[in-house]
Amino acid sequence: QITLKESGPTLVKPTQTLTLTCTFSGFSLSTSGVGVGWIRQPPGKALEWLALIYWDDDKRYSPSLKSRLTITKDTSKNQVVLTMTNMDPVDTATYYCAHRPIVVGAAFDIWGQGTMVTVSS
Amino acid sequence: QTVVTQEPSLTVSPGGTVTLTCASSTGAVTSGYYPNWFQQKPGQAPRALIYSTSNKHSWTPARFSGSLLGGKAALTLSGVQPEDEAEYYCLLYYGGAQLDVVFGGGTKLTVL
Repeated sequence: QITLKESGPTLVKPTQTLTLTCTFSGFSLSTSGVGVGWIRQPPGKALEWLALIYWDDDKRYSPSLKSRLTITKDTSKNQVVLTMTNMDPVDTATYYCAHRPIVVGAAFDIWGQGTMVTVSS
Repeated sequence: QTVVTQEPSLTVSPGGTVTLTCASSTGAVTSGYYPNWFQQKPGQAPRALIYSTSNKHSWTPARFSGSLLGGKAALTLSGVQPEDEAEYYCLLYYGGAQLDVVFGGGTKLTVL
């Protein structure tokens, strides 16, 4: 059974750096084809893909946020970490991590519960 | 910047059929965009329904189906149930199945 759980601060100040951790179980990020992604959703708004890291350490970022994002993995700890610099109130959102399965063309099949991050001074 | 467009809202009667669509600002959606569909109910994380245009996950109810329709990806619900009231999001891959993805703006489906 695959599970994912996001953790990190619930409140950050403008200009600070946000660090979120996704801790997962039920799969290995060293398995060929597997990935973990981050997606966010501002209150009342649509989903927005942020970043994705694959088993081979290939990393993909949303073009609009690429300069502010870094995604890394620690396979031994079953964790993926997302950092976002220069946080702004518009970055207030629920942040999800999700499993990207081996199956070609399948995006995010299993999601974490999400963690709400508020950006405010 | 690539934009993926969905109907903002649709209404369907219980037992009816409804089709949601997903268009790309880059042109016709083809199978190479590997359309995915997700359902999200208030206060919950999204749940995957369809991948690669028409493939269902093991947990996807049979009444949900995916297709390509008139240059768009489509999600059809047949025999709609009250519990299908939710927000539905499509996702498209750009550049291949291991590259960038973009979510649509979502369709709020009301069952009335």
